Amino acid sequence: GNSVTQMEGPVTLSEEAFLTINCTYTATGYPSLFWYVQYPGEGLQLLLKATKADDKGSNKGFEATYRKETTSFHLEKGSVQVSDSAVYFCALRLAQGGSQGNLIFGKGTKLSVKP
Amino acid sequence: GAVVSQHPSRVICKSGTSVKIECRSLDFQATTMFWYRQFPKQSLMLMATSNEGSKATYEQGVEKDKFLINHASLTLSTLTVTSAHPEDSSFYICSARHHDEQFFGPGTRLTVL
Repeated sequence: GNSVTQMEGPVTLSEEAFLTINCTYTATGYPSLFWYVQYPGEGLQLLLKATKADDKGSNKGFEATYRKETTSFHLEKGSVQVSDSAVYFCALRLAQGGSQGNLIFGKGTKLSVKP
Repeated sequence: GAVVSQHPSRVICKSGTSVKIECRSLDFQATTMFWYRQFPKQSLMLMATSNEGSKATYEQGVEKDKFLINHASLTLSTLTVTSAHPEDSSFYICSARHHDEQFFGPGTRLTVL
């Protein structure tokens, strides 16, 4: 079936460290891929997305490239800040979803950045 | 961006009672809203898709008589957990679709004693 697997957390980094959160997916067809971020006490917010192979999504210094050959969409940031501390969710959406194209989420990865 | 609110943010109830959770799109109209459930250290699991003016579409394994969904207006969907039991304790999150993007509410923590 369709699923998303992302690295388990928590991930703890020092400020200005390099961040990678791995995400791989299994899907029929050609899904769109997303990263959502959930700051403490808030709802999920779209961080970035990519809709086709080799697309790169980017926002707020975060990047992820849609790799069809490895079915991956790893999230990266060159220099994290304390304010990046949050839970990050990788997700996919099928082009022709049975539930009107609903999102399928990974389990989330908690990131803590220490000053 | 578009804002989705949920109320209450946290609720504690006794076993056997019913609890209603509201989801509102504050600055846009949403014909489609989604209800998710999140267990600790688990991903968000879609429970149902709520369509304004029609019956909700439930995912496999979700009891429609237990989780009643009403989407009576373009800005409000409600989820009622009927005859709640401790195993219904969870984090419930709604989202609303707007211009091909989903916007999420902050979630409701339900604890059933």
